[in-house]
Amino acid sequence: AQSVAQPEDQVNVAEGNPLTVKCTYSVSGNPYLFWYVQYPNRGLQFLLKYITGDNLVKGSYGFEAEFNKSQTSFHLKKPSALVSDSALYFCAVRENAGNMLTFGGGTRLMVKP
Amino acid sequence: KAGVTQTPRYLIKTRGQQVTLSCSPISGHRSVSWYQQTPGQGLQFLFEYFSETQRNKGNFPGRFSGRQFSNSRSEMNVSTLELGDSALYLCASSLEGARGRNIQYFGAGTRLSVL
Repeated sequence: AQSVAQPEDQVNVAEGNPLTVKCTYSVSGNPYLFWYVQYPNRGLQFLLKYITGDNLVKGSYGFEAEFNKSQTSFHLKKPSALVSDSALYFCAVRENAGNMLTFGGGTRLMVKP
Repeated sequence: KAGVTQTPRYLIKTRGQQVTLSCSPISGHRSVSWYQQTPGQGLQFLFEYFSETQRNKGNFPGRFSGRQFSNSRSEMNVSTLELGDSALYLCASSLEGARGRNIQYFGAGTRLSVL
């Protein structure tokens, strides 16, 4: 069975500083990895995905993620955080065989001015 | 292009009642999935429909059911509501292709409160 872990419930960072939101995964086959963001009273917005190819994936709003197969990690990063980045971030994995996403528990990102 | 539309946005029901939630996917998307989001359990997969057929099902009791129509619109139904069914129900749609490569796009959700 596939699973995703986000070890930090909350990440605090000052505006302008780099941010990292951590994600590790477990799958039996090839992993397809995703990051989504959720703002209050909203659904999930797609940020980026890793399917195959380059280990550094660039996505929306200046976010990027680094895939590390040996560490089974897919950490979300941004070089310079904005206050407007404050939201709930979810990492998700999908295996080859299905079209079902398994989500991590979410990490709340707080960016302070 | 319009996004995924879920109606209604908010619902209040009492225990024992049943409820139907609706989801209109992005135009051209034929796969529709449903997820339940609660503070305690997080985001959990309910089921996925494609071409009016249920293709995957999560670990939820039979009180949770769904269907998809020929225009790809989907409904989910919860019968005999329990307090624990209070949640944000999210619908997602995606194009069909190599399944692992599809991106699921989510609606704003329906917030169900069971009293």
